[in-house]
Amino acid sequence: QSVLTQPPSASGTPGQRVTISCSGSNSNIGSNYVYWYQHLPGTAPKLLISRNNQRPSGVPDRFSGSKSGTSASLAISGLRSEDEADYYCAAWDDSLSGVVFGGGTKLTAL
Amino acid sequence: QVQLQESGPGLVKPSQTLSLTCSVSGGSITIGSYYWSWIRQPAGKGLEWIGRIYISGSTNYNPSLKSRVTISLDTSKNQFSLKVSSVTAADTAVYYCATSYSSGQFDPWGQGTLVTVSS
Repeated sequence: QSVLTQPPSASGTPGQRVTISCSGSNSNIGSNYVYWYQHLPGTAPKLLISRNNQRPSGVPDRFSGSKSGTSASLAISGLRSEDEADYYCAAWDDSLSGVVFGGGTKLTAL
Repeated sequence: QVQLQESGPGLVKPSQTLSLTCSVSGGSITIGSYYWSWIRQPAGKGLEWIGRIYISGSTNYNPSLKSRVTISLDTSKNQFSLKVSSVTAADTAVYYCATSYSSGQFDPWGQGTLVTVSS
C-alpha cells in the first residue's frame, strides 16, 4: 500500500487529453513539492515534472502538472502512442522523513 | 552532465548482505547541495525509495528498511554504496541510484541493476 494514491491504470485515444491523479496527505503533498516520473520498461525513470508544475528542459509542453491541497495531477494533452508508460508521483513526507512514491499508473494509448 | 552507473552482484543468497556501488562520472560527488539516493523496483511493483546520503555524511532511510540498510560515500573513488543485510526474496528488485538537489526530485538516474535473492 503506497503512501501516495494513484489510479492503477489510465487510457485515452491519440490526440486526447488524459489526467492522472495523485492523492496524499498534509505531511507529504500538502506541505511539499510533487514530482512526476515517466517510466518505460527496461529504462531508467525520467523526471517529467519538477516542483509541482515545472517542466525540465526537453520535456514537451504537452505534459503539465498541478497541485491543490493534498492532491496533485499530471495532464498529458495530445496523447501519443509513445506516451504509453508507467507514471509515478513522488513527494517528501515530513512524518516519515523520507520520499514517498505513488503506486504508479499504467497509461495506455488505445 | 553527471552520469551514474550501478554495479554489484546480480545474485545474492537469502540471509546474506546485498552490496551495490554507484559510480559517478561527469562531476564530483562532493558537489554541495546534492543528495545521493537509492531506489528500487520489485518485479511487477512500483518504485520504492530506499534512502539517501548527503556530502556531510548525513543519511535518511525508508523507515520500513532502516534496520537493514546502510548508505555510504567514498569520495576518493567518486562513488556511493548501498548495503542491505539479511536479505530475503522480497528484496529481489531492480536497484537504481540517483541524485537530487531537492527532496523527491531524482535526476539523473543510473540505468538500474537487477538483484535476485535466491539460493
